[in-house]
Amino acid sequence: SAVISQKPSRDICQRGTSLTIQCQVDSQVTMMFWYRQQPGQSLTLIATANQGSEATYESGFVIDKFPISRPNLTFSTLTVSNMSPEDSSIYLCSVRGGAKNIQYFGAGTRLSVL
Amino acid sequence: GENVEQHPSTLSVQEGDSAVIKCTYSDSASNYFPWYKQELGKRPQLIIDIRSNVGEKKDQRIAVTLNKTAKHFSLHITETQPEDSAVYFCAASYGDNFNKFYFGSGTKLNVKP
Repeated sequence: SAVISQKPSRDICQRGTSLTIQCQVDSQVTMMFWYRQQPGQSLTLIATANQGSEATYESGFVIDKFPISRPNLTFSTLTVSNMSPEDSSIYLCSVRGGAKNIQYFGAGTRLSVL
Repeated sequence: GENVEQHPSTLSVQEGDSAVIKCTYSDSASNYFPWYKQELGKRPQLIIDIRSNVGEKKDQRIAVTLNKTAKHFSLHITETQPEDSAVYFCAASYGDNFNKFYFGSGTKLNVKP
């Protein structure tokens, strides 16, 4: 299986500030995905991070709010910018990998914005 | 884009009974349908998946059925155990690499001992 390390695991932030979430994978992957899971809700894809090109954002998510970096094939960051309480959520990194080429998720970053 | 609907939102069963969770999808191009289990405070984990060229797949107590004509697929858990209690998500994806997943809203399964 693909091992995904995500940090921080949780954070409490003040509104107006920004938080950068890191995702490290133990193998090289072409695409890395960022999801948001609001409390008690389903998972919503924010964007797809491709190495060597700009991230592709889903409807309702914009680069200014959620800038993404993908400097190499094993690492990506997601920044939540100018945070408001509505950004309180769990943010999960995901990749396809492993022997069965299936989708794996990181443990998530639980963000609370005051 | 794809729209995945999942029912029921909550399901309570007695230990040993069967549980069935159903999902429908809108995009006929979808051809990969995974199911994820998420325990409280943990990451989603794949429990079973099915591709559109197959109608049913089993793995011990878990099975998934797919009806492409009707655009629905279901998760079946037999002989439920308390450790099956979790939130289950269905998803649909399409394309050669099944990269973009559209998730259902989730079903909270409670197995009573």
